[in-house]
Amino acid sequence: DAGVTQSPTHLIKTRGQHVTLRCSPISGHKSVSWYQQVLGQGPQFIFQYYEKEERGRGNFPDRFSARQFPNYSSELNVNALLLGDSALYLCASSLTRTAGKAPYTFGSGTRLTVV
Amino acid sequence: KQEVTQIPAALSVPEGENLVLNCSFTDSAIYNLQWFRQDPGKGLTSLLLIQSSQREQTSGRLNASLDKSSGRSTLYIAASQPGDSATYLCAVKRDSSYKLIFGSGTRLLVRP
Repeated sequence: DAGVTQSPTHLIKTRGQHVTLRCSPISGHKSVSWYQQVLGQGPQFIFQYYEKEERGRGNFPDRFSARQFPNYSSELNVNALLLGDSALYLCASSLTRTAGKAPYTFGSGTRLTVV
Repeated sequence: KQEVTQIPAALSVPEGENLVLNCSFTDSAIYNLQWFRQDPGKGLTSLLLIQSSQREQTSGRLNASLDKSSGRSTLYIAASQPGDSATYLCAVKRDSSYKLIFGSGTRLLVRP
């Protein structure tokens, strides 16, 4: 079975540009969460989507937005990119909103570099 | 506010040594705790998940323990190998929460 897949794997953007990152959850999983991991730090929660609705949002500016599609895949959008947005963006999927007793499964991430 | 701390930030050991990685959290009201491995520039691989009602979990050479009352978890790696070199992250999930709160990780180097 395919795990969590993210695309693209690497991306270079210029300050002020817009970027879209994509995530496909494990088949049957209805929840997708996005995390940002800056070099040398642990991942920070950005968003959770469950059943195509936003269920949680971390402490990130409005430049960050996301959505979930009927097939439960998800997009993370970042507008007006700043140098500080350079990070590894991770997607995690789970069967339910809170994952219950099951572990979260993460994708391999998208490495975004803003120059 | 839940905070998760991992000490040490980096660790270098010779091959074959047994080692312990530490994770502490400030709020004992956790639902579970998960240990991850991360290779440079890669995503997270789940190693062990401990529910709040459990004391430990084992998988191969790995053993994770949980002491909720003291806000601590340890990851024990037996007979370390160079292939164990990676960053190890712990993350806690609060009761009824949907998100994980991560520590900054311990970067492990196992020298041949």
